[in-house]
Amino acid sequence: KAGVTQTPRYLIKTRGQQVTLSCSPISGHRSVSWYQQTPGQGLQFLFEYFSETQRNKGNFPGRFSGRQFSNSRSEMNVSTLELGDSALYLCASARLAGGTDTQYFGPGTRLTVL
Amino acid sequence: AQSVAQPEDQVNVAEGNPLTVKCTYSVSGNPYLFWYVQYPNRGLQFLLKYITGDNLVKGSYGFEAEFNKSQTSFHLKKPSALVSDSALYFCAVRDIYSSASKIIFGSGTRLSIRP
Repeated sequence: KAGVTQTPRYLIKTRGQQVTLSCSPISGHRSVSWYQQTPGQGLQFLFEYFSETQRNKGNFPGRFSGRQFSNSRSEMNVSTLELGDSALYLCASARLAGGTDTQYFGPGTRLTVL
Repeated sequence: AQSVAQPEDQVNVAEGNPLTVKCTYSVSGNPYLFWYVQYPNRGLQFLLKYITGDNLVKGSYGFEAEFNKSQTSFHLKKPSALVSDSALYFCAVRDIYSSASKIIFGSGTRLSIRP
């Protein structure tokens, strides 16, 4: 079974631009969560989608948004990029939301903001 | 509020020796505990989880973890370390009675195995 895939793997943008990251979950998984990983803040939860609905949101500004499609694929968008948005963005999928399901992570997208 | 603490930034072990990576947690309900490992330029790989039942959980690559409710700990262990075990390890927690899939991660412990 294929794992979680994320595209692109690497991105370089400049301040003020916007960016869209994509995540394809494991087949049959309907929950997709996004995390930001930085050396200073560690791993922080961004948001979770299940059945095309945002279920939970972390403490990030409104510049960070996302959506989920009917095939469970998810996209994350960051508008008006800031230098501090440079990070590894990880997507994780699970069969269901909450409960005891394990989240499986993709390889991440490394975003560099210049 | 839920939280996870990994008190050691780095753990150094000689190959062949046993290793322990420490983790303590705080949750409002019953904990759902994970260990993940991250290799350079990779995402997180799932190692093992504790939901309920036996306090000793066995996972991938020979790792195991011991759940201790009274000490609110979930330490990761391996009887004999390999150089290839060198990586960044994360402990994580979620309240199993919450409808949220949000996981709270510890700060990570870098494990270095010397030949």
